[in-house]
Amino acid sequence: SQTIHQWPATLVQPVGSPLSLECTVEGTSNPNLYWYRQAAGRGLQLLFYSVGIGQISSEVPQNLSASRPQDRQFILSSKKLLLSDSGFYLCAWSVPLAYTDTQYFGPGTRLTVL
Amino acid sequence: AQSVTQLDSHVSVSEGTPVLLRCNYSSSYSPSLFWYVQHPNKGLQLLLKYTSAATLVKGINGFEAEFKKSETSFHLTKPSAHMSDAAEYFCVVSDRNSGYALNFGKGTSLLVTP
Repeated sequence: SQTIHQWPATLVQPVGSPLSLECTVEGTSNPNLYWYRQAAGRGLQLLFYSVGIGQISSEVPQNLSASRPQDRQFILSSKKLLLSDSGFYLCAWSVPLAYTDTQYFGPGTRLTVL
Repeated sequence: AQSVTQLDSHVSVSEGTPVLLRCNYSSSYSPSLFWYVQHPNKGLQLLLKYTSAATLVKGINGFEAEFKKSETSFHLTKPSAHMSDAAEYFCVVSDRNSGYALNFGKGTSLLVTP
């Protein structure tokens, strides 16, 4: 069966510090991968998605970036965090080329920027 | 672009009474629609999805939703609320133009009182 992992589960970082959040998927090959952010009291916002290694599409311009160095690894990064980067970050995967298929979410990382 | 609007930010029901969470969608093509639930500080769990096979979709935990094209609606219902149903509920549409990423509504917070 497929599983998705995210770490760390929680993170407290000072403004201006770097960020690296990792997401890995097991049990499937060449998944579509996604990063979402949920700010306090708001819905989820798509940040990035990837349909293959090295292929990243950005939905919202900001100081975050994403990379996919391996087939089942998706990394969210920042060089300098802002207060507004605080939120709940969720990684998700889906079967590629399946328009109607489901996305499966990881447990999330709660980031607090102070 | 595909989008959804959740008509109520908060819904309060008594235990044992029916639940209705309202969602309208906007899509330039036949959409894939989902309902996800998020319990406090948890990831997202799929309740049900509509993929044009049947207009009445049954999900987990007694929830169901009906796709009404004429009303562009996809309301979530449950005949009898349980205390464990208290959570945040998201209506979601899949966007084929963004790698089938999910566009989330802003969420409806369901409160269940004894």
